[in-house]
Amino acid sequence: EPEVTQTPSHQVTQMGQEVILRCVPISNHLYFYWYRQILGQKVEFLVSFYNNEISEKSEIFDDQFSVERPDGSNFTLKIRSTKLEDSAMYFCASSDGRTGRTEAFFGQGTRLTVV
Amino acid sequence: DAKTTQPNSMESNEEEPVHLPCNHSTISGTDYIHWYRQLPSQGPEYVIHGLTSNVNNRMASLAIAEDRKSSTLILHRATLRDAAVYYCILYDSGGYQKVTFGTGTKLQVIP
Repeated sequence: EPEVTQTPSHQVTQMGQEVILRCVPISNHLYFYWYRQILGQKVEFLVSFYNNEISEKSEIFDDQFSVERPDGSNFTLKIRSTKLEDSAMYFCASSDGRTGRTEAFFGQGTRLTVV
Repeated sequence: DAKTTQPNSMESNEEEPVHLPCNHSTISGTDYIHWYRQLPSQGPEYVIHGLTSNVNNRMASLAIAEDRKSSTLILHRATLRDAAVYYCILYDSGGYQKVTFGTGTKLQVIP
């Protein structure tokens, strides 16, 4: 069964460093998403991406964040200068988006720890 | 976004059926009812969705009230692996929409 894969599973970085989280969405899907979940809190939407551009972003997704689909298969989330409060699980998701195929499929997440 | 209301937590004995309720009294005619779950330390997982009719798949069944103001996710035989947070989410069929998670129902399965 096709699945969304994320790498790495765990990343530790120093405050102020740049990190790139990587995702390979399901191959025929059209919509791509990043979510985060701070420990003990609910899953929060960060950004959605469609047709090679951001279609929606939340207030959390400020200028420190960026997304890219560099080669038609990978989908990346970059945090330019990490802060302690960026420590969280980051989930990538994708959905087909075509009529009747609205369900989103999530990866297993990357645990980002900023020290 | 149309709002859903779920109990914060529920318990079930292993191998018994579980009925997880969701109220969505402000649902609109184009809203699908989606259920996701999140097992401990894992990403959210799609479970099932429906519009008006009851739906079955290999994971669960979804029973939708005739007026669509409530629905029930049914796990026919709970296993320890079903212990998770279950989210009921309304999803507009009229185009793109992100999945917006609430706090869901935390299901505890007792051996």
